Amino acid sequence: IAGITQAPTSQILAAGRRMTLRCTQDMRHNAMYWYRQDLGLGLRLIHYSNTAGTTGKGEVPDGYSVSRANTDDFPLTLASAVPSQTSVYFCASSDTRTGYGANVLTFGAGSRLTVL
Amino acid sequence: GQNIDQPTEMTATEGAIVQINCTYQTSGFNGLFWYQQHAGEAPTFLSYNVLDGLEEKGRFSSFLSRSKGYSYLLLKELQMKDSASYLCAVRDSNYQLIWGAGTKLIIKP
Repeated sequence: IAGITQAPTSQILAAGRRMTLRCTQDMRHNAMYWYRQDLGLGLRLIHYSNTAGTTGKGEVPDGYSVSRANTDDFPLTLASAVPSQTSVYFCASSDTRTGYGANVLTFGAGSRLTVL
Repeated sequence: GQNIDQPTEMTATEGAIVQINCTYQTSGFNGLFWYQQHAGEAPTFLSYNVLDGLEEKGRFSSFLSRSKGYSYLLLKELQMKDSASYLCAVRDSNYQLIWGAGTKLIIKP
């Protein structure tokens, strides 16, 4: 089934530990995104990538890093987790090569991260 | 700053009609989206408006007024499965999506 796979589904992590959230898509979309979703707030963009080999900072990039070595994979790394990074993280992708138009995002199922 | 406002929660009855409003103040406008998100799941695309007017798609319709910075999502013939959060998002002049906090819709029998 075409779509986005995220791992892990959930994780409890001690503060100060390093953590990588994995994201893989099989739709050959050029653009990929990482969002966090917190209660009472809208989805907030952490980092994005418009094409393999390039990345950009979103609204809340501090404490996070990403890489885009190929079209399919877009891992998100927390170098030293802090409790404020407790959230649900969604990876998403879209195809913007033919123009933005509707530019519909396809989301992964999410990764629930708790930092203690 | 950029802002998207939606009601936090709404309640409606199965079989009825409900209108979920969204007002926005953004740096430029390049389209407005509605997504549905069931509890514990990923958001899924519902509708896209870039011109003023009503877009109808089955039981769901979405309206846009750019001059008023206003949109609504209209859900007809409500079903229990429509219980979900509905997210409004606007694409700004930099083609970045600005998201509202979402409206939780509760459907009662």
